[in-house]
Amino acid sequence: DQQVKQNSPSLSVQEGRISILNCDYTNSMFDYFLWYKKYPAEGPTFLISISSIKDKNEDGRFTVFLNKSAKHLSLHIVPSQPGDSAVYFCAASPSNTGNQFYFGTGTSLTVIP
Amino acid sequence: GAVVSQHPSRVICKSGTSVKIECRSLDFQATTMFWYRQFPKKSLMLMATSNEGSKATYEQGVEKDKFLINHASLTLSTLTVTSAHPEDSSFYICSAKGLVGAYTEQFFGPGTRLTVL
Repeated sequence: DQQVKQNSPSLSVQEGRISILNCDYTNSMFDYFLWYKKYPAEGPTFLISISSIKDKNEDGRFTVFLNKSAKHLSLHIVPSQPGDSAVYFCAASPSNTGNQFYFGTGTSLTVIP
Repeated sequence: GAVVSQHPSRVICKSGTSVKIECRSLDFQATTMFWYRQFPKKSLMLMATSNEGSKATYEQGVEKDKFLINHASLTLSTLTVTSAHPEDSSFYICSAKGLVGAYTEQFFGPGTRLTVL
């Protein structure tokens, strides 16, 4: 059973525009969320995180929004750059101990120059 | 950020043989390491959690006799795929949580592509 879902397998955005990647989860016990970026044949790299006590966290061009009532989070990338082209995974954890993560299926982002 | 390495990066083996994959934290001590498997166009699936000096905790559905995990030191965990079969072909990724650094980040290795003929 997929507890974390990314319903858009792919997304194409023009360079300089905003990229919005979405993620939904079903387990109400999740209270810590992360986004990872992954290039082909490489391991994921951490991008940004958010805990359930916040509804927004910003780091440079990356902003994560959390809507707990809707069990939905999104990653905004502004402005998008060609180097952002990669697969983005959201992950959720029932605690901030970092021991148990559930990953979404990923969204492949292509930023068109 | 912290660095986690995996060796080998790619391995091709014959059906029935065993393959060992190493995961090392290069600049920090990892009390906990995780092994994931990624199927094509699928999410990362947590296989097991290993703590240094103790037995690994396997996720439901993962055969512990098939996927042997040893976390011998604070910087090394190994995954051995025993009697490999073509269906074991996959991308295996390890990650580590260190004593130094954020609690909530996992530092991932680059992954190992296993192909079983």
